[in-house]
Amino acid sequence: EADIYQTPRYLVIGTGKKITLECSQTMGHDKMYWYQQDPGMELHLIHYSYGVNSTEKGDLSSESTVSRIRTEHFPLTLESARPSHTSQYLCASSGTGGTASGANVLTFGAGSRLTVL
Amino acid sequence: DAKTTQPTSMDCAEGRAANLPCNHSTISGNEYVYWYRQIHSQGPQYIIHGLKNNETNEMASLIITEDRKSSTLILPHATLRDTAVYYCIVHRGGSYIPTFGRGTSLIVHP
Repeated sequence: EADIYQTPRYLVIGTGKKITLECSQTMGHDKMYWYQQDPGMELHLIHYSYGVNSTEKGDLSSESTVSRIRTEHFPLTLESARPSHTSQYLCASSGTGGTASGANVLTFGAGSRLTVL
Repeated sequence: DAKTTQPTSMDCAEGRAANLPCNHSTISGNEYVYWYRQIHSQGPQYIIHGLKNNETNEMASLIITEDRKSSTLILPHATLRDTAVYYCIVHRGGSYIPTFGRGTSLIVHP
């Protein structure tokens, strides 16, 4: 049973539309992440958060923005979608605490596959 | 976090052991080795992690060399459902952010 939920799973929209990808987790994890992945390619970190009101940009530059108003919620927004934004977006979370305990294990959602026409 | 090197692809016969290698020669003392796998285009799934001792769980075994510069993930009896991309990452936790490489595409054939 998934403890981290992403919606929508699939989205096809036209250029110029504003979209928000939702990500929610029920594990009380402080850290949350957004990765972007094209088919057959590696995951690229685009945003992360250490906790409420904390957001940072990742290694891959992205025109998307994120917010973290509640611990369990980490939505990603594209103000004006373009075909170059077509990709899969994966949300993940991890806890704090000692590494040996497994607190730093990432739990991923099922992903949101975005197609911009 | 230290970088890792994995073969691009491997294949294995169903029922046989799959041994997936990973080099992490620049690993530091407080970095753990983690393995994840990604089936088709689903979100990656955690498999196992370890610091220096060998580890085993219901999914796999992790063998880490004594100098910790490499490790091997072992799937003891591979099934067709184990066909996936396997990622090895090293990560010290805390405020450090885990990054993924290309991983190894494992194909299990009948």
